[in-house]
Amino acid sequence: QVQLQESGPGLVKTSQTLSLTCTVSGGSINSADYYWSWIRQHPGKGLEWIGYIYYTGSTFYNPSLKSRLTISVDTSKNQFSMKLTSVTAADSALYYCARDQISSPNWFDPWGQGALVTVSS
Amino acid sequence: QSVLTQPPSVSGAPGQRITISCTGSSSNIGAGYDVHWYQQLPGTAPKLLIFRNTNRPSGVPDRFSGSKSGTSASLAITGLQAEDEADYYCQSYDSSLSSSYVFGTGTKVTVL
Repeated sequence: QVQLQESGPGLVKTSQTLSLTCTVSGGSINSADYYWSWIRQHPGKGLEWIGYIYYTGSTFYNPSLKSRLTISVDTSKNQFSMKLTSVTAADSALYYCARDQISSPNWFDPWGQGALVTVSS
Repeated sequence: QSVLTQPPSVSGAPGQRITISCTGSSSNIGAGYDVHWYQQLPGTAPKLLIFRNTNRPSGVPDRFSGSKSGTSASLAITGLQAEDEADYYCQSYDSSLSSSYVFGTGTKVTVL
């Protein structure tokens, strides 16, 4: 079955760029049936959807993050990535990647195990 | 601040039935968008529990059921088991000025 795995630096300096990659295995990211999302969870808090990308490169972002966010896809590597610029301590969180089943609205299944990112000066 | 409100905690004894509410508004659940539910066991990633209001993915016990009415949705767990102790989140879409996928505030289920 499809599995997702996040990777990237666990520590990012304040005002710099947070970069994470999600590697998809057991299935192709190059599918018309799914979108691919990033979701984060602040420590001890709830879930926040960040944004998604389609294999064509089409994106949809959370308006609260849109000005700082870029999500991209590399179909040759079966990966998608996110970059969040000008980070602050408020961006410290557990970041998940997930597959979106296209629906109204999409649902997320499966999820990666998560990557903890701490923003500190 | 999430637009989908859940009770912070719900508890029950083994074997009991509990329900978790997810209250939205006319710009999300009331607008006709479906509700999905996730279970997050301690220290793990969320797992899809219910999709499209009432549907269980393969492998999810039929003790879990979902419903939706008006601007709210509910998750019911019957025959509560110790392994059900987890955080539960609803999810939908909000079509207000800041359109986005939205999650509920989350509910901690404790098995007494």
